[in-house]
Amino acid sequence: DTAVSQTPKYLVTQMGNDKSIKCEQNLGHDTMYWYKQDSKKFLKIMFSYNNKELIINETVPNRFSPKSPDKAHLNLHINSLELGDSAVYFCASSQNRGEAFFGQGTRLTVV
Amino acid sequence: KQEVTQIPAALSVPEGENLVLNCSFTDSAIYNLQWFRQDPGKGLTSLLLIQSSQREQTSGRLNASLDKSSGRSTLYIAASQPGDSATYLCAAGSGAGSYQLTFGKGTKLSVIP
Repeated sequence: DTAVSQTPKYLVTQMGNDKSIKCEQNLGHDTMYWYKQDSKKFLKIMFSYNNKELIINETVPNRFSPKSPDKAHLNLHINSLELGDSAVYFCASSQNRGEAFFGQGTRLTVV
Repeated sequence: KQEVTQIPAALSVPEGENLVLNCSFTDSAIYNLQWFRQDPGKGLTSLLLIQSSQREQTSGRLNASLDKSSGRSTLYIAASQPGDSATYLCAAGSGAGSYQLTFGKGTKLSVIP
């Protein structure tokens, strides 16, 4: 009964590959987010969706494409992976501007 | 653009001590401020959410205060325990049409038995 769940937890892949990370929330929230935590542990927002509509699209390479098939799901697809994409990616959700709940993170390693 | 700073970056205290973690933000037009805990290799656990109209929130041994006008929040931990060892992150919620949490870089707390 995990509130925000991400899969996979670990992802090791070669440069140039395309990969996806999936996120699901069972809290009934209307807003979902993707955050990136870099090697220095700094968390920065990438995208946010409200009721399946893209709200925030920070200066992220267009190799990153979020997709929200419904309110409970927000997936992240990454094309042509680069070494610099290695990081921990966190999905989160909130109801409007309420308390945010985070998933366990996906540690992506590009080799 | 909102910027969040946390001081100190690291803190080591003996078990049983009370301690205060500091957070400051540059744009006082926030909707709320949220404190999280992150254990190594784990996700973020929400500790406390303070709405912009509130001055403080309490949960067990944790008390968070908010002074919106001065752009400051503090997290007070009473009677610290080794299990409190973790990185504590504060995040300011702001952005009228594009709400987001802006995070500080965290304070790494070590409670020594």
